[in-house]
Amino acid sequence: SQKIEQNSEALNIQEGKTATLTCNYTNYSPAYLQWYRQDPGRGPVFLLLIRENEKEKRKERLKVTFDTTLKQSLFHITASQPADSATYLCALDMRSQGNLIFGKGTKLSVKP
Amino acid sequence: DTGVSQDPRHKITKRGQNVTFRCDPISEHNRLYWYRQTLGQGPEFLTYFQNEAQLEKSRLLSDRFSAERPKGSFSTLEIQRTEQGDSAMYLCASSFAGTGSVGYTFGSGTRLTVV
Repeated sequence: SQKIEQNSEALNIQEGKTATLTCNYTNYSPAYLQWYRQDPGRGPVFLLLIRENEKEKRKERLKVTFDTTLKQSLFHITASQPADSATYLCALDMRSQGNLIFGKGTKLSVKP
Repeated sequence: DTGVSQDPRHKITKRGQNVTFRCDPISEHNRLYWYRQTLGQGPEFLTYFQNEAQLEKSRLLSDRFSAERPKGSFSTLEIQRTEQGDSAMYLCASSFAGTGSVGYTFGSGTRLTVV
């Protein structure tokens, strides 16, 4: 069956450390993978996308990797801050479909 | 353009009643999506439009759900004969469909509670 799994429901880290979130998928062949941030009671906000032929993408303190052999994407936030506390969602863009398929998300808490 | 707007933000309805939600997308965007999200879950796809054409509907979308996008502008999502299981956050998003992948712009959602 097709699955998208984000490594843990919750991740707690200390301010200043690097947060690493994992997105694994099975029985999908996405052409792109996207990451979103969602705050409580709000809609998701787009952060980054990475193509299947790209290994790594960076934006300020954010870095995304995409390994189509392992069927995994890693999302890193360096020098994390309490303001980075939110739920982070990965989403697959299949190209053969018109819509994104979302994982359940990982709730990140950054403690001061 | 202030982004994707959804109305109302909250709706409480009695089981069996009909409800309608509205979404105003970013004007330059040609695609509009409806998703549903329950607590602790990611957004779940319901349907999407390209301009005024409804191109895909999820198998999750029962006959009680209908969506429209007249003239390719705003969209409405109607739920008839609501059930308690319909309680969720209903999210609308828009994007401009080109040759590559683009991020979606989501609204803040309509939270539906069926009592």
